[in-house]
Amino acid sequence: ELKVEQNPLFLSMQEGKNYTIYCNYSTTSDRLYWYRQDPGKSLESLFVLLSNGAVKQEGRLMASLDTKARLSTLHITAAVHDLSATYFCAVSYTGNQFYFGTGTSLTVIP
Amino acid sequence: EAQVTQNPRYLITVTGKKLTVTCSQNMNHEYMSWYRQDPGLGLRQIYYSMNVEVTDKGDVPEGYKVSRKEKRNFPLILESPSPNQTSLYFCASNGLGGGKSGTDTQYFGPGTRLTVL
Repeated sequence: ELKVEQNPLFLSMQEGKNYTIYCNYSTTSDRLYWYRQDPGKSLESLFVLLSNGAVKQEGRLMASLDTKARLSTLHITAAVHDLSATYFCAVSYTGNQFYFGTGTSLTVIP
Repeated sequence: EAQVTQNPRYLITVTGKKLTVTCSQNMNHEYMSWYRQDPGLGLRQIYYSMNVEVTDKGDVPEGYKVSRKEKRNFPLILESPSPNQTSLYFCASNGLGGGKSGTDTQYFGPGTRLTVL
């Protein structure tokens, strides 16, 4: 059974601190996505990771992909309140099939 | 402006009353998908389409139908809604290559909150 697991499910962190969200998936894929969802809103694309060892950075967020370990990480550097949201990873397979993790709800507190 | 639109945004209905949720994109994308989002379950793909008249089941297709008669539109049909279909529904589109090649990520609509009584 194909599974995408995120850890942690809930994360409360202080402003200025660093933390990492993990995304494990059970079946080999060469394509991994990270999305952000604000409360009551739709999903917004953050990163697309296309190959083993891929690393992408945007502001305080950095995503990486290890296809051999079937693991992606989303690293948050010096968190600020604006980063409070729910973050989803997703993997895709032939034919436009997408599987999402259950999401990580991040709250950044002063 | 590039966008995916859905209608209605909110819908309350009763068990067994057929309904359609429309989805339209203006980016000339080949691929479109429908998802439902439930607390603690993330997003689950219901159906997807790789082009006009080409559709396939996702992870949770039971109780749903779709059609793709035009490239820009991908309506979701609930022939006989039941309370377990109460959920938040998202339509999404992405460009050629979709999940296999290319770099396009999915663009999501604003969501439709459906309640079935």
